[in-house]
Amino acid sequence: NAGVTQTPKFRILKIGQSMTLQCTQDMNHNYMYWYRQDPGMGLKLIYYSVGAGITDKGEVPNGYNVSRSTTEDFPLRLELAAPSQTSVYFCASRRGPQETQYFGPGTRLLVL
Amino acid sequence: KQEVTQIPAALSVPEGENLVLNCSFTDSAIYNLQWFRQDPGKGLTSLLLIQSSQREQTSGRLNASLDKSSGRSTLYIAASQPGDSATYLCAVRDTGNQFYFGTGTSLTVIP
Repeated sequence: NAGVTQTPKFRILKIGQSMTLQCTQDMNHNYMYWYRQDPGMGLKLIYYSVGAGITDKGEVPNGYNVSRSTTEDFPLRLELAAPSQTSVYFCASRRGPQETQYFGPGTRLLVL
Repeated sequence: KQEVTQIPAALSVPEGENLVLNCSFTDSAIYNLQWFRQDPGKGLTSLLLIQSSQREQTSGRLNASLDKSSGRSTLYIAASQPGDSATYLCAVRDTGNQFYFGTGTSLTVIP
């Protein structure tokens, strides 16, 4: 049971490039989340999903897209990367409405 | 919009001391509140989850309380140890599926 895994661990992008951050969980959790954490700040919710085929915007969705074709995977797509998207990205999942979130180790993204 | 504040931003205590971390939120219509620990360069680890109908939760040396009406939660750490050094984050879930995090309290326990 690996929990929540994220790839890559670290990536440098040039302005205008695109990339997909991968997130997979093997706990059969319905709910999955993407957050970003800027230095010295708390986490901000980007997108979330309550089950396969269902996604919704969080607090800071602009510049990102998600999909949820399976229960296990919840990739985050960055189109036209901008320096403002330099951050650490965390994926999380939880089983049900009253249960705790489990976090992945994060992806550090630098946009230059 | 929910705003979550954590005070102090940083705290340094000698080993063995009991301490309290504070979390306040602006909208009392919450589903639950969760405390997390974050070690440098790592993800978040859940410590305690308090449902909106509960007043407190305990796990080992940790005790978290929730006063929904006043928009406050505290995390009490008893007999602090150097291994407790980390950043502690609180997060509130609204009545939907959105989570709002505080900026955290960075704790250093001095041996």
